[in-house]
Amino acid sequence: GENVEQHPSTLSVQEGDSAVIKCTYSDSASNYFPWYKQELGKRPQLIIDIRSNVGEKKDQRIAVTLNKTAKHFSLHITETQPEDSAVYFCAASFGGSQGNLIFGKGTKLSVKP
Amino acid sequence: DAGVTQSPTHLIKTRGQQVTLRCSPKSGHDTVSWYQQALGQGPQFIFQYYEEEERQRGNFPDRFSGHQFPNYSSELNVNALLLGDSALYLCASSGRGGDTEAFFGQGTRLTVV
Repeated sequence: GENVEQHPSTLSVQEGDSAVIKCTYSDSASNYFPWYKQELGKRPQLIIDIRSNVGEKKDQRIAVTLNKTAKHFSLHITETQPEDSAVYFCAASFGGSQGNLIFGKGTKLSVKP
Repeated sequence: DAGVTQSPTHLIKTRGQQVTLRCSPKSGHDTVSWYQQALGQGPQFIFQYYEEEERQRGNFPDRFSGHQFPNYSSELNVNALLLGDSALYLCASSGRGGDTEAFFGQGTRLTVV
């Protein structure tokens, strides 16, 4: 079945450094790849997404890249701040709907001041 | 503009009992997906409802069922509760039949004792 693998499971960086989280997916038909940030006890919040017809997308300090051939996509956060500390999930769509998502297991990002 | 709302926020049930969770989608959204998030894991897709019908289903037993109402709100029902059903249940809504990004509710924390 469909699968999304996410690495690393934990990531610790100093404030101001960059953080990179990588994901791979198995379903060639996936065409939508969102990233969610989840703080402790709160709902997952969509922070950026990318569709299969785009290779890269940037929103201020956050960027996502997609390599459809290799079935890889990555999240890049530059100039990290303590408030970036959270669990980040990548996901890939299936079944032709952006509401049907297979999630990775998450990356716990800690940004040390 | 109200986002996705879920009720109740917390619930404690006994093994073997039945539970109903509720979700109201974001204004303008017509598609509801349900997810189960175990502690320390990524959300797992249960099923999606559109036009009052289950359109897609994940790898969950028939004990998990749902319903969508004409106003697009949705219910998730779980019968014969097991200890392993203890989790955060998330509802996500999307628009245009699931063709737009998914926004999550705050979840219902279900504890089965």
